[in-house]
Amino acid sequence: QQQVKQSPQSLIVQKGGISIINCAYENTAFDYFPWYQQFPGKGPALLIAIRPDVSEKKEGRFTISFNKSAKQFSLHIMDSQPGDSATYFCAANTGTASKLTFGTGTRLQVTL
Amino acid sequence: DAGITQSPRHKVTETGTPVTLRCHQTENHRYMYWYRQDPGHGLRLIHYSYGVKDTDKGEVSDGYSVSRSKTEDFLLTLESATSSQTSVYFCAISEGGHGTQYFGPGTRLLVL
Repeated sequence: QQQVKQSPQSLIVQKGGISIINCAYENTAFDYFPWYQQFPGKGPALLIAIRPDVSEKKEGRFTISFNKSAKQFSLHIMDSQPGDSATYFCAANTGTASKLTFGTGTRLQVTL
Repeated sequence: DAGITQSPRHKVTETGTPVTLRCHQTENHRYMYWYRQDPGHGLRLIHYSYGVKDTDKGEVSDGYSVSRSKTEDFLLTLESATSSQTSVYFCAISEGGHGTQYFGPGTRLLVL
């Protein structure tokens, strides 16, 4: 059972545009929501994360928006650059053992 | 990369043979994890460890076993490899709680 649903599966955005990736979760016990970025041939790396007590977190060009009542959160990449081309995974966990449940991933391509 | 190595990085094996993958960390983190990554499924947790000799099952543990005899090493064993276990395997480490998970470079396994 997919506990974290991610969309779209792939995304093509022009340079300078806004990339938006959405995730929805089912388990209300989740209390930490990170986003990971993965380049081809590499392991995923933490990009940005949010806790459910805030509705938005911004780090540079990357913003997480969180809607607790709808059980949804999204990643916005402003002024998208070709170097942002990668696969992005949303995830969720409940702390303690820090076990992460991942979404299925979004392959982002930023074109010139 | 946060002090995590995986070996081998690539392996081709035949159905029915045993396979052991090794994860080694130099960060002295308490928690270690094994994930598999497959197209359309994202990353799925196989097993994790919360200390020496302390391990637990993840979402897709059937056909896999693990061992952790030292803080720095976490072994994943496929007792009798099957073609469905063809995948990219990632090891990760964490201090636990809502701590960041740091991923290794991955092992690409092909079971013929």
